[in-house]
Amino acid sequence: GDSVTQMEGPVTLSEEAFLTINCTYTATGYPSLFWYVQYPGEGLQLLLKATKADDKGSNKGFEATYRKETTSFHLEKGSVQVSDSAVYFCALTTNSGYSTLTFGKGTMLLVSP
Amino acid sequence: GAVVSQHPSWVICKSGTSVKIECRSLDFQATTMFWYRQFPKQSLMLMATSNEGSKATYEQGVEKDKFLINHASLTLSTLTVTSAHPEDSSFYICSAHQASGLSGELFFGEGSRLTVL
Repeated sequence: GDSVTQMEGPVTLSEEAFLTINCTYTATGYPSLFWYVQYPGEGLQLLLKATKADDKGSNKGFEATYRKETTSFHLEKGSVQVSDSAVYFCALTTNSGYSTLTFGKGTMLLVSP
Repeated sequence: GAVVSQHPSWVICKSGTSVKIECRSLDFQATTMFWYRQFPKQSLMLMATSNEGSKATYEQGVEKDKFLINHASLTLSTLTVTSAHPEDSSFYICSAHQASGLSGELFFGEGSRLTVL
């Protein structure tokens, strides 16, 4: 079945540091890939997505490139802020209607001033 | 963007009582909503798919008599945890599917934290 593997956290960084959160996947067919962010006490928010190989999703300074050859969708940001502290979930769906998602376990990011 | 709202955001109840959690799509109609359960430091586990006007589809291992789901309208799905026990304490999150042509997008509620004493 489909699965998503994320690096374990927490990831602890100082403000303005470079961020990478690794995500790899296994899936049948051609999945769409997502990053969701969950701030403390809140639900999930879509951060970015990519629907086909070599697509780059970007939002709020975060980027991730759909790498089919390495089955990866690593999340990056050049300069993190304290407000980026949250849990980040990598997810995929092979459903064309995006109606079901397979999530990774999430990676907590802690950014200190 | 589209908004999905859950209520209550947190609830504390005594063991043996039932608790209802609402999930509403505020500015779109959702024929399909999903209920997830999130354990501490774990990912979201899909519990069931809620279909408007028909019975919910439960994932393997989820007790349908324990977690009653009703999707009575295109903007409201409810999850009732019946005869709650401490092991039911968790963070419950719903999502609603906004269809758009052949695709669409999922929008998530802010979650409901249940604590059973």
